[in-house]
Amino acid sequence: EPEVTQTPSHQVTQMGQEVILRCVPISNHLYFYWYRQILGQKVEFLVSFYNNEISEKSEIFDDQFSVERPDGSNFTLKIRSTKLEDSAMYFCASSLDRGQEQPQHFGDGTRLSIL
Amino acid sequence: SQKIEQNSEALNIQEGKTATLTCNYTNYSPAYLQWYRQDPGRGPVFLLLIRENEKEKRKERLKVTFDTTLKQSLFHITASQPADSATYLCALRYSSASKIIFGSGTRLSIRP
Repeated sequence: EPEVTQTPSHQVTQMGQEVILRCVPISNHLYFYWYRQILGQKVEFLVSFYNNEISEKSEIFDDQFSVERPDGSNFTLKIRSTKLEDSAMYFCASSLDRGQEQPQHFGDGTRLSIL
Repeated sequence: SQKIEQNSEALNIQEGKTATLTCNYTNYSPAYLQWYRQDPGRGPVFLLLIRENEKEKRKERLKVTFDTTLKQSLFHITASQPADSATYLCALRYSSASKIIFGSGTRLSIRP
């Protein structure tokens, strides 16, 4: 069964540095998402992306965050100047279309540790 | 803002019994209520979706109910097995939004 893949599985970065998390969504999917999960807390929505535009974002997704689909297969999340509180598991997800009945398929995440 | 509560942080039951997990929400009802499974160190995996105008949905050993009057969903696993041990997440989705709002989950342990 096709799956969402994320790299790296674990990223360690110094505070203040830029980090890029990478995702390869399922190939025929059109909608892409980023979520994060701080250790011991809920999975939280960050941003959704369609047709090379952000379609929705949460208040967590401030100016330090950006998303890009640089080519036909990758979907990236960039954090410009990382803070300690950015330490979390970051999940990428994709869905076939925007229909609310379409499930979102999640990758296994990138664990981001900010030192 | 919308709140989702899952009844207990952890639930331990004997293999073969039915596990029942509860999800309650505040404010207005979502168009869709979903249940996901999350194993340690893994991403959520979609299990079932139920619409606001549906009362019940089944898939193999899984059953979900949705009561918009009580603002509650129940998730049942019948004939539970140790392999069902995981964290189960309730999630809401509103018709105008693409995002999913997750509950904090219930960690289910099935003992042999």
